[in-house]
Amino acid sequence: QVQLQESGPGLVRPSETLSLTCTVSGGSFGYYSWSWIRQPPGRGLEWIGSILYSGSSDYTPSLESRVTLSVDTSKNQFSLKLNSVTAADTAVYYCAREGNYIDIWGQGTLVIVSS
Amino acid sequence: DIVMTQSPDSLAVSLGERATINCKSSQDLLYSSNNHNYLAWFQQKPGQPPQLLIFWASTRASGVPDRFSGSGSGTDFTLTISSLQAEDVAVYYCQQYITTPRTFGQGTKVEI
Repeated sequence: QVQLQESGPGLVRPSETLSLTCTVSGGSFGYYSWSWIRQPPGRGLEWIGSILYSGSSDYTPSLESRVTLSVDTSKNQFSLKLNSVTAADTAVYYCAREGNYIDIWGQGTLVIVSS
Repeated sequence: DIVMTQSPDSLAVSLGERATINCKSSQDLLYSSNNHNYLAWFQQKPGQPPQLLIFWASTRASGVPDRFSGSGSGTDFTLTISSLQAEDVAVYYCQQYITTPRTFGQGTKVEI
C-alpha cells in the first residue's frame, strides 16, 4: 500500500531554512495533491500547503511568504522549504496525500528550532 | 479562511457509552453540484499521525469500525462513537476540504 516518509534535519537554527522531503512509495504519484501539515507540541493541526504532481501549489496565507513547495516526480518525492524560522515553527511536520480528502499521512518528523 | 469550531474541547465517557463530538464551520461545506459535504474526521492517538475516520461527512474510511458514524450537513456536523472502547481514547479533529486553506477544528480529547 502507499506509504509516505518524511526526512530532513531535526534541528534548525533560528533565521535559517527548514527543509523536509517526503518520499512516496507503493503507489502512483500522479493525480493527487501532496500536502504538508504541522503540529506544534501539545497543540492542533495546521495545514501548510499542497502541491499537485504538475507543480501547481497552494499555501496557507499566514505562511505563504516563507514557504516553498516543490515536487520531483522522477523520485516520487515532494519537498517543503520554510525560511526565516523561529521557535514558533517548532512542530511535528507531516506529509500527506490528498485526492478529494486527506487519506494517507506520513509518520511525521519533529523539527526543533533552536540555537 | 473557514473557521472550524469543535465542542466540547474534551469529554470523559464510560466504556460502552456513547460519545458525541460536534463541529461547526463558519461557511457552508455542502457543494450543491454533487450534494457532498466536504468534511472529514480524523482520530489521533498519542505519538501517532492522524488517521482518517470519516469523509464526505458520513462515509467511513476503510477498516473503521461501525461504532464510528458521522452526520450533519451545511455548517453543523457530528461524530458519534456509539459504544466507546478503550482503544478509542484519542483526540478527534474535523477538517474542511471544500476550499483552501484547508482548516481543522481545534480537536476534542476523548477519555475514559
